[in-house]
Amino acid sequence: AQTVTQSQPEMSVQEAETVTLSCTYDTSESDYYLFWYKQPPSRQMILVIRQEAYKQQNATENRFSVNFQKAAKSFSLKISDSQLGDAAMYFCAYSSAYGNKLVFGAGTILRVKS
Amino acid sequence: NAGVTQTPKFQVLKTGQSMTLQCAQDMNHEYMSWYRQDPGMGLRLIHYSVGAGITDQGEVPNGYNVSRSTTEDFPLRLLSAAPSQTSVYFCASSYDSRWNTEAFFGQGTRLTVV
Repeated sequence: AQTVTQSQPEMSVQEAETVTLSCTYDTSESDYYLFWYKQPPSRQMILVIRQEAYKQQNATENRFSVNFQKAAKSFSLKISDSQLGDAAMYFCAYSSAYGNKLVFGAGTILRVKS
Repeated sequence: NAGVTQTPKFQVLKTGQSMTLQCAQDMNHEYMSWYRQDPGMGLRLIHYSVGAGITDQGEVPNGYNVSRSTTEDFPLRLLSAAPSQTSVYFCASSYDSRWNTEAFFGQGTRLTVV
């Protein structure tokens, strides 16, 4: 079974600085998808970024980018120019191209200091 | 657009009571799932459905029942609540059977069993 590990329960960043959240995963498959979801205090789950495993180019969405290392099974999220509104729980998630479910990591709480 | 709607948002139950968490989506998605979110454990899959009349167990199904009589609705039933079921519950939907694209989540139900 696939597993997703987020080893940082909490992270802090100063406003306007850059922070990187870590995620590793375990799978024997070659075709899959990786996601970062943001959960602010409202509890709403918001998709931040999506990466297709067969694409070598790292996904980017404005201030959010990933470092996808397929061989190392690593998928980190970089947030540039951090803003107060970035404070949230961030979940890394995995889905197989052959499966029927979304698997989540334990989450990382990001605190942004002004 | 309403998206995925969960009711209630908060609920307190006594041990042994039963209740149904409601989930409805208006996007005509075939694929729906229920997750529970616990501190340090991320989101864990309880049950999922691939269409009306078809459901299956996820990672932590014990103590929960589901049914899917329509495409829109996917209720989660607790037959005899236990304190271990204290959690935040999320319903999610996707048009993609592999969950390889964006998943849409309700705003969650915080359930406390005393």
